[in-house]
Amino acid sequence: AQTVTQSQPEMSVQEAETVTLSCTYDTSESDYYLFWYKQPPSRQMILVIRQEAYKQQNATENRFSVNFQKAAKSFSLKISDSQLGDAAMYFCARGTGANSKLTFGKGITLSVRP
Amino acid sequence: KAGVTQTPRYLIKTRGQQVTLSCSPISGHRSVSWYQQTPGQGLQFLFEYFSETQRNKGNFPGRFSGRQFSNSRSEMNVSTLELGDSALYLCASNSGQVTDTQYFGPGTRLTVL
Repeated sequence: AQTVTQSQPEMSVQEAETVTLSCTYDTSESDYYLFWYKQPPSRQMILVIRQEAYKQQNATENRFSVNFQKAAKSFSLKISDSQLGDAAMYFCARGTGANSKLTFGKGITLSVRP
Repeated sequence: KAGVTQTPRYLIKTRGQQVTLSCSPISGHRSVSWYQQTPGQGLQFLFEYFSETQRNKGNFPGRFSGRQFSNSRSEMNVSTLELGDSALYLCASNSGQVTDTQYFGPGTRLTVL
């Protein structure tokens, strides 16, 4: 099975500090896409960031950036200047060019300490 | 643009009943995908509809079915409910290009008693 693995179930960060969430994936596809989604307690899944596998440059969105290591099949999310509103469950997901199906990791619960 | 909407937000059913969940995609989006989220199994892909046709299917029993209407709204039906069907059901929409980002709705929380 082609899987997405998030090995840390929980992490905590102090407000204004930086935290990195880890994700590894497995795929035999050459055309694939990686995502981080955030799911706050309200349950709405929100897109945080997207990375195309063919792009060497790491994606960034304001305080969120990724470290995409294609050879290692690693895709970590860095959150800078953490805010209380960043507290949520974060899911790493992989999509392919073959179909719309997303494969998700188990998620990581991030708490932010004031 | 309005986001993806799902109705109802909460449902309580008993074993053996059937249930229908509804999803309205973002305006202009033609693809709707459904996912089941449980604490034990995480997020699992159910199926995807595009232009009123099922384009992709996950590994779920035939009790789970869906359809899509000409306005791209989609419904998901679960027949003969089991306790294990209790879950958050999420739908997501995109333009229809398989590589396009999927945008999720708020989900329907189904509880089977």
